[in-house]
Amino acid sequence: NAGVTQTPKFRILKIGQSMTLQCAQDMNHNYMYWYRQDPGMGLKLIYYSVGAGITDKGEVPNGYNVSRSTTEDFPLRLELAAPSQTSVYFCASSYPGQGTYGYTFGSGTRLTVV
Amino acid sequence: AQTVTQSQPEMSVQEAETVTLSCTYDTSENNYYLFWYKQPPSRQMILVIRQEAYKQQNATENRFSVNFQKAAKSFSLKISDSQLGDTAMYFCAFRGGANSKLTFGKGITLSVRP
Repeated sequence: NAGVTQTPKFRILKIGQSMTLQCAQDMNHNYMYWYRQDPGMGLKLIYYSVGAGITDKGEVPNGYNVSRSTTEDFPLRLELAAPSQTSVYFCASSYPGQGTYGYTFGSGTRLTVV
Repeated sequence: AQTVTQSQPEMSVQEAETVTLSCTYDTSENNYYLFWYKQPPSRQMILVIRQEAYKQQNATENRFSVNFQKAAKSFSLKISDSQLGDTAMYFCAFRGGANSKLTFGKGITLSVRP
């Protein structure tokens, strides 16, 4: 059971480039999330999805886009990368109604924009 | 909107001693869940302990226990017999009963000294 898989683990982008951070889960979780972690700021929610075809903005969505065509996959797209998007990105998933169990997290992607 | 506050940015403890990490939160909900996550240098987010708000008994997981004060909206983590492997960043998180999204505090860096 792989859990939540994120790729790549590290990436360096130049300003203005685009990329997609991949996230896949094999637990049949309906809910999936993207967070970014900045030093001293905790984790901030970028986007989330409650099921295939349904996505919604979180606290810091600007500069990002998501799609959810299947239950398993929830990619995060960065268009026109900016230095402010340098961060560690975490994908997570959970099952509705299982509030006591928190989330299952991926291992994160460290992104540097130069 | 819920908020989670971890006011101590860092703490240090001697190996084998006990340390308490503080967390307060603000919510108007009556039914919710609270979590402590550990993030070691590997970056992986690891669930340490969870507490359901409707349960009066404080949660315990081996050397980890919480002091949950619902009226004061306080949720502290006590680590007994600290070990070098406890060195990590610790995040307090809140999840509302009717809302699946986790809200995180800014985290606290814990160092265990040999």
